[in-house]
Amino acid sequence: TQLLEQSPQFLSIQEGENLTVYCNSSSVFSSLQWYRQEPGEGPVLLVTVVTGGEVKKLKRLTFQFGDARKDSSLHITAAQPGDTGLYLCAGPRGSNYKLTFGKGTLLTVNP
Amino acid sequence: EAQVTQNPRYLITVTGKKLTVTCSQNMNHEYMSWYRQDPGLGLRQIYYSMNVEVTDKGDVPEGYKVSRKEKRNFPLILESPSPNQTSLYFCASSSGDTQYFGPGTRLTVL
Repeated sequence: TQLLEQSPQFLSIQEGENLTVYCNSSSVFSSLQWYRQEPGEGPVLLVTVVTGGEVKKLKRLTFQFGDARKDSSLHITAAQPGDTGLYLCAGPRGSNYKLTFGKGTLLTVNP
Repeated sequence: EAQVTQNPRYLITVTGKKLTVTCSQNMNHEYMSWYRQDPGLGLRQIYYSMNVEVTDKGDVPEGYKVSRKEKRNFPLILESPSPNQTSLYFCASSSGDTQYFGPGTRLTVL
């Protein structure tokens, strides 16, 4: 079974701080995705990483895919209250039609 | 505007009363999927559809049915809802690797 473990489960920080959240698996994934979900809404795709060792940047967010394609990290620089939300990682399982999600990291950025 | 819509957004019902949650997308996507989201369990896939008349089970299909008679619609049917199906439900559609999620349907089964 391909599982995705996310850590930490909860994170509460002050505006301006940096943070990193992790998504780990014992299985190899062909790709991993990161989503952000805000209260009362569906998840929104932030990025897809495909190549081992790949780094992608989205403004203050930096995503990295592990060399062995078993893990990924999301680093946020100078967090802002608008970054508050549930961050989910997801990967395809067997086929691109079957997606496994981690349980998420709930981030709160306090003003 | 490209979007996935779900109806109803909120529903309270009683055990055994059949219900349907509708999902519609206007992006001409072939792939659609249903998920449920529960505290401590995360998002779990219920059913997915690769195209019209082509559906398959996800991780938690028990107690649910789906149909895909048209490309744009993918309704989720609960023939005899039970309290353990109380959850937040999301429909999604995708082209390639980008999934677009609907706003969610919060279902309570008493």
